[in-house]
Amino acid sequence: GQSLEQPSEVTAVEGAIVQINCTYQTSGFYGLSWYQQHDGGAPTFLSYNALDGLEETGRFSSFLSRSDSYGYLLLQELQMKDSASYFCAVRRDRDDKIIFGKGTRLHILP
Amino acid sequence: DSGVTQTPKHLITATGQRVTLRCSPRSGDLSVYWYQQSLDQGLQFLIQYYNGEERAKGNILERFSAQQFPDLHSELNLSSLELGDSALYFCASSARTSGEETQYFGPGTRLLVL
Repeated sequence: GQSLEQPSEVTAVEGAIVQINCTYQTSGFYGLSWYQQHDGGAPTFLSYNALDGLEETGRFSSFLSRSDSYGYLLLQELQMKDSASYFCAVRRDRDDKIIFGKGTRLHILP
Repeated sequence: DSGVTQTPKHLITATGQRVTLRCSPRSGDLSVYWYQQSLDQGLQFLIQYYNGEERAKGNILERFSAQQFPDLHSELNLSSLELGDSALYFCASSARTSGEETQYFGPGTRLLVL
């Protein structure tokens, strides 16, 4: 089937680094996107990888390896405000259907 | 504030009823997307419109329909409502039709079907 798998929850300490993985079983997509969603809020765009490799945007970086069907979001210098859910998503190129992972809830401990 | 507006914020209705959710995209964005988010299903893509035309279809039920008007606002119509339709419905907009795009999400409409 076409799916994206993410860990349901991850816990990390303030100031540390955390990696949220996204593995997928879908082929033929434009790229891998990441969104952040705080409780009660709307998703907000974080990052997009069209090509394999690392994309860096401030404290957040995202990585894609199409050969390994794998991507991740890396958050550095964690802050309490980073406590949120993080979703990976792809758009299939054969029909433009958008598929989201079920999200990873990030808990940050002081 | 993403620039995408959705009305109403909350909606409570009964099974079997019909409701309409409204979305206004960011100024200049031609694409509108509709998503359903429930606790057990995560974010589900329903449908995308680009400049008034249906562009991509996701897991949208036959009881649901959408359209995008000439002024680019969009409406999602949900009919014959069931308890399981209770969810958060998000609208998002983007400038492009496909490929790389950043989607800007509205605040959502929380639908409760009793």
